[in-house]
Amino acid sequence: GIQVEQSPPDLILQEGANSTLRCNFSDSVNNLQWFHQNPWGQLINLFYIPSGTKQNGRLSATTVATERYSLLYISSSQTTDSGVYFCAVEWSGNTPLVFGKGTRLSVIA
Amino acid sequence: EPEVTQTPSHQVTQMGQEVILRCVPISNHLYFYWYRQILGQKVEFLVSFYNNEISEKSEIFDDQFSVERPDGSNFTLKIRSTKLEDSAMYFCASRLGDQPQHFGDGTRLSIL
Repeated sequence: GIQVEQSPPDLILQEGANSTLRCNFSDSVNNLQWFHQNPWGQLINLFYIPSGTKQNGRLSATTVATERYSLLYISSSQTTDSGVYFCAVEWSGNTPLVFGKGTRLSVIA
Repeated sequence: EPEVTQTPSHQVTQMGQEVILRCVPISNHLYFYWYRQILGQKVEFLVSFYNNEISEKSEIFDDQFSVERPDGSNFTLKIRSTKLEDSAMYFCASRLGDQPQHFGDGTRLSIL
């Protein structure tokens, strides 16, 4: 099956710093989503981005489908950005999402 | 914005007991999913449901598990005889078609 690799596994940032999280996937995909899992365990949908670039406030994401990777950018990080960021892909229409292992982000004041 | 709701938020059950986790997907959605996340690990797919039947299931989804959509709104996951290793966060998700999956807040299941 399709493999999803995220890097780095852990990241510690000073408040106000910028960061880039990476997601590589082993095959072509129909859908890619980025999630933020907060300390209460909720999965917050950040982006639905099978290709191209999207922005939402301090967050943006880019997926280069032909090269099988996606990037999540966090600018001017805040302590509330802490948590685990997951990338998840589906290889065909309406198939289940396959999740990566996540990047654990800690933003310190 | 409509959302997927899951109940209960936390369930504590004795090993060997049956447990039912409940989900109300977004009303016009057609595809429904259950995922599981063992503490500290990644989210894993359990089962998908479309047109009143299972469309796909993982190897985790063995005979102890079953799903049902008993009416037009609820979507349930039943674990027949719980084991310690069933302790996890269980997420329900739904989608309309070729659109993003929307996740509920999860049910944390603790097996004693």
